Amino acid sequence: EPEVTQTPSHQVTQMGQEVILRCVPISNHLYFYWYRQILGQKVEFLVSFYNNEISEKSEIFDDQFSVERPDGSNFTLKIRSTKLEDSAMYFCASSEPGGSTDTQYFGPGTRLTVL
Amino acid sequence: DAKTTQPPSMDCAEGRAANLPCNHSTISGNEYVYWYRQIHSQGPQYIIHGLKNNETNEMASLIITEDRKSSTLILPHATLRDTAVYYCIVAPFSGGYNKLIFGAGTRLAVHP
Repeated sequence: EPEVTQTPSHQVTQMGQEVILRCVPISNHLYFYWYRQILGQKVEFLVSFYNNEISEKSEIFDDQFSVERPDGSNFTLKIRSTKLEDSAMYFCASSEPGGSTDTQYFGPGTRLTVL
Repeated sequence: DAKTTQPPSMDCAEGRAANLPCNHSTISGNEYVYWYRQIHSQGPQYIIHGLKNNETNEMASLIITEDRKSSTLILPHATLRDTAVYYCIVAPFSGGYNKLIFGAGTRLAVHP
């Protein structure tokens, strides 16, 4: 069964450093998303992406964040200068266009720890 | 904010049916009810969705009331591996992208 994959599973970085989280969405999906979950809190929407541009972003997704689809398979989330409060699980999701529903399928997540 | 209300926690004995309720009294006509679950800190796992008819798949059944203001997710024979946080999410069908707004969900504990 097709699945969303994410790398790395765990990333440790120093405050102020740049990190790139990578995702490989399901191959025929064209809508991509990033969510995050701070430990013990709710899953929060960050951004959605379609046709090489952002469809919607949340208040969390400020200028420190960017997304990119650098090739036909990868979808990345970049945090330019990490802060302690960026420590969280980051989940990538994808959905199929033109289907009867907008069901999103999630990856296993990347745990980001900012020291 | 989430448009659904769920009990914070529930217990279920292994092998018994787990019935997880969800209230979505402000649901609109074009909004679907989605159920996801999250085991530990893994990525949310899609379970089932419905608009107004009852639905069943290999994982669960979804019962939606006639007025669509509430629904129940049924795991017919719960196992220990079904211990997870279950999220009921209401979202409109857009034919394309959508964002999911997660609430706190129901923490289901399945015990032997």
